[in-house]
Amino acid sequence: QSALTQPASVSGSPGQSITISCTGTSSDVGTYNLVSWYQQHPGKAPKVMIYEGSKRPSGVSNRFSGSKSGNTASLTISGLQAEDEADYYCCSYGPISTVLFGGGTKVTVL
Amino acid sequence: EVQLVESGGGLVQPGGSLRLSCAASGFTVSSNYMSWVRQAPGKGLEWVSVIYSGGATYHVDSVKGRFTISRDTSKNTLYLQMSSLRPEDTAVYYCARNLPPDYWGQGSLVTVYS
Repeated sequence: QSALTQPASVSGSPGQSITISCTGTSSDVGTYNLVSWYQQHPGKAPKVMIYEGSKRPSGVSNRFSGSKSGNTASLTISGLQAEDEADYYCCSYGPISTVLFGGGTKVTVL
Repeated sequence: EVQLVESGGGLVQPGGSLRLSCAASGFTVSSNYMSWVRQAPGKGLEWVSVIYSGGATYHVDSVKGRFTISRDTSKNTLYLQMSSLRPEDTAVYYCARNLPPDYWGQGSLVTVYS
């Protein structure tokens, strides 16, 4: 039950776009179109930003978008804003009814 | 409105037991997949356990045989019974709806100290 692989940190200036990758295997990300992305501010519970790979919940800004290619899912934040500074986690359904999380990516707005 | 409220966390010595509760409102626990996810201090998220709507349960390898997930349909509440606790089980425990989760509780801190 290995975790999904994310970069430890990504940074960008206000207004720029950044992309966070989430690499799994053909047994999880590559098989299931059930990747979610979460935003977590310090001391707070995670908040879903993208579900089923590319769908946005009601109330989430359209600056957040998700995609998948093969065994890698991606989260793109366009028009970066100060409030986007947070930790981001990907999550995928996995084999034998398991759930895998990425190690998390700290997004810094310069 | 969907709400999840955890309780039952606290301090416990290694080898001890603790039961977490998660009271749900705005939906029916037994009709959904329900999970527990934990986050050790300064670390990332780790899925712990799931109970499917049909009642089947699964746990991450590190807690198998020690943790049990269950639910009470009359109380619309999810539980996590934790026994033989270890220092590495220290974390904030979140209950969450669905897989992958769509709604999360606010978390309950469990500290296993020696």
